[in-house]
Amino acid sequence: DTAVSQTPKYLVTQMGNDKSIKCEQNLGHDTMYWYKQDSKKFLKIMFSYNNKELIINETVPNRFSPKSPDKAHLNLHINSLELGDSAVYFCASSQGSGQYFGPGTRLTVT
Amino acid sequence: GESVGLHLPTLSVQEGDNSIINCAYSNSASDYFIWYKQESGKGPQFIIDIRSNMDKRQGQRVTVLLNKTVKHLSLQIAATQPGDSAVYFCAENLGMGNAGNMLTFGGGTRLMVKP
Repeated sequence: DTAVSQTPKYLVTQMGNDKSIKCEQNLGHDTMYWYKQDSKKFLKIMFSYNNKELIINETVPNRFSPKSPDKAHLNLHINSLELGDSAVYFCASSQGSGQYFGPGTRLTVT
Repeated sequence: GESVGLHLPTLSVQEGDNSIINCAYSNSASDYFIWYKQESGKGPQFIIDIRSNMDKRQGQRVTVLLNKTVKHLSLQIAATQPGDSAVYFCAENLGMGNAGNMLTFGGGTRLMVKP
């Protein structure tokens, strides 16, 4: 019973391509998030989203856009991929305070 | 294989000893703090949390201490086991009312347990 799942686990693509990462949570949580973890393990919030509002970290390039088809899903779409986008991307969800993380998607841009 | 985390502070302890991992947080308005454990190839896993109206909270083999005066948080692990080897992160929340309920993470500490 995976609470927060992501696909794919690994994604290798070339610069300039557009790609999406999918996230699903079966916890019934209202809020979902995307985080980026760089090569030094630093975790940074990208987006917070519930069915009412999207909060965007102002440092996130507008090439990144979250898309939520329903309350249980928050996908991350990335346009015109750049080398610096290579990282591990984590989805998370919460109902209240604690956040529960997915297993991560390792994106490699070549 | 992973080549990440080479610049992480590392704490090396003997199996059975107690571990103390420290964290300095940035915002005096933060009112909720969480410790996460991240094993290799996995996502962060919730360990324990504490609200700003407390200075200590205990879980199973773990204790979190909060010193708001100096904005310092620590995680104590009793009788450290090989399975505790991981990267540990502290995270702060500016408040339940903050827009998006976003967490700000610290830089992480790698705990290595020697058998």
